[in-house]
Amino acid sequence: NAGVTQTPKFQVLKTGQSMTLQCAQDMNHNSMYWYRQDPGMGLRLIYYSASEGTTDKGEVPNGYNVSRLNKREFSLRLESAAPSQTSVYFCASRVTRNTEAFFGQGTRLTVV
Amino acid sequence: KNEVEQSPQNLTAQEGEFITINCSYSVGISALHWLQQHPGGGIVSLFMLSSGKKKHGRLIATINIQEKHSSLHITASHPRDSAVYICAVSRTDSGGSNYKLTFGKGTLLTVNP
Repeated sequence: NAGVTQTPKFQVLKTGQSMTLQCAQDMNHNSMYWYRQDPGMGLRLIYYSASEGTTDKGEVPNGYNVSRLNKREFSLRLESAAPSQTSVYFCASRVTRNTEAFFGQGTRLTVV
Repeated sequence: KNEVEQSPQNLTAQEGEFITINCSYSVGISALHWLQQHPGGGIVSLFMLSSGKKKHGRLIATINIQEKHSSLHITASHPRDSAVYICAVSRTDSGGSNYKLTFGKGTLLTVNP
């Protein structure tokens, strides 16, 4: 069972470059999430999609955009990367609210 | 003040010891989650609970809704238990917040052989 798959696992970008982080889940979950994890800060929500066709901002959405391409896939785009976006990014999914969350393996992004 | 507080932040134990990690929260919740993250690794869900107690192998999670407190216990700890343990809550706020998890900052556990 693949669960939640994130690509890429590692990425180095130059300031101003753009990139898209991909996330796919094969568990038929309705809700999907993008988080960033920084030392001493814990996990912070960037964007989420409660169900296919909807997306909403989380705590730290500035500098990011998302697309819920279909029920399986939820991508995160950095249009113009900044060093402050250096972080570990996690995608997660769950059936709906109040159910167990499943996480991807993370994407370690460095912006130089 | 953070809405989800964990203690301790760091914990070092000897193999075989009984471990307790605490989580307190200040918001209304419908469920509490315990997650595990090994160094450089992904995040794995250990438990989701809304009342009482759950057990899985050497791990036990309890929650006291009235006191807004949960504990994660590890019996007969082992070096492979070394990881960051994260507490998260599903809030009962109206609207969009119901879909979000609010996380504690994690407890780094090191179990020495």
